[in-house]
Amino acid sequence: GESVGLHLPTLSVQEGDNSIINCAYSNSASDYFIWYKQESGKGPQFIIDIRSNMDKRQGQRVTVLLNKTVKHLSLQIAATQPGDSAVYFCAENIPMKTSYDKVIFGPGTSLSVIP
Amino acid sequence: DAGVTQSPTHLIKTRGQQVTLRCSPISGHKSVSWYQQVLGQGPQFIFQYYEKEERGRGNFPDRFSARQFPNYSSELNVNALLLGDSALYLCASSYGPNTDTQYFGPGTRLTVL
Repeated sequence: GESVGLHLPTLSVQEGDNSIINCAYSNSASDYFIWYKQESGKGPQFIIDIRSNMDKRQGQRVTVLLNKTVKHLSLQIAATQPGDSAVYFCAENIPMKTSYDKVIFGPGTSLSVIP
Repeated sequence: DAGVTQSPTHLIKTRGQQVTLRCSPISGHKSVSWYQQVLGQGPQFIFQYYEKEERGRGNFPDRFSARQFPNYSSELNVNALLLGDSALYLCASSYGPNTDTQYFGPGTRLTVL
């Protein structure tokens, strides 16, 4: 079935190091991918997105890489800071023949930054 | 500018009761989506409304219903509550109907006893 999964449920990194959060997706028709950050007690916050016609997109301290050959998505956070500690979700948008698209979230990866 | 707002913040109900959750989208946004997030999992899509019409429905029973008002705010109703309905209910708004970036509210924490 359709699913978006994460390879690592938890990730601990030293402050200042780079973080890499991985995500696997199974639907080759997905045309849009989004990374969200969710802090405790808050709703998911948009970080960065990428469309399926791109391989890489950079934001401020974040980079998303998309490998459609192996259906893999990653989020790279440069110079990880304590404020980056949160749960990170990838989500894929699947275009449907009906009038709406379908968004599926992965289970999330918990990132802990060690000061 | 105000982000997506949801009310109430927390809610405690007993099995069999009914609950109504409310959401106000970002000003100018015409689409509202509802998600259920069980502890330790990613959000699961429940409904999407765009221009006051239902555009999408996830795999949830008919006990779940929603509507969108002319001012684009929305309500999610859940009847005959079950213990398994305990979750964080998230509302997200976007300008367009499909793949536009969604902005999430803080959620309503529903506990069913």
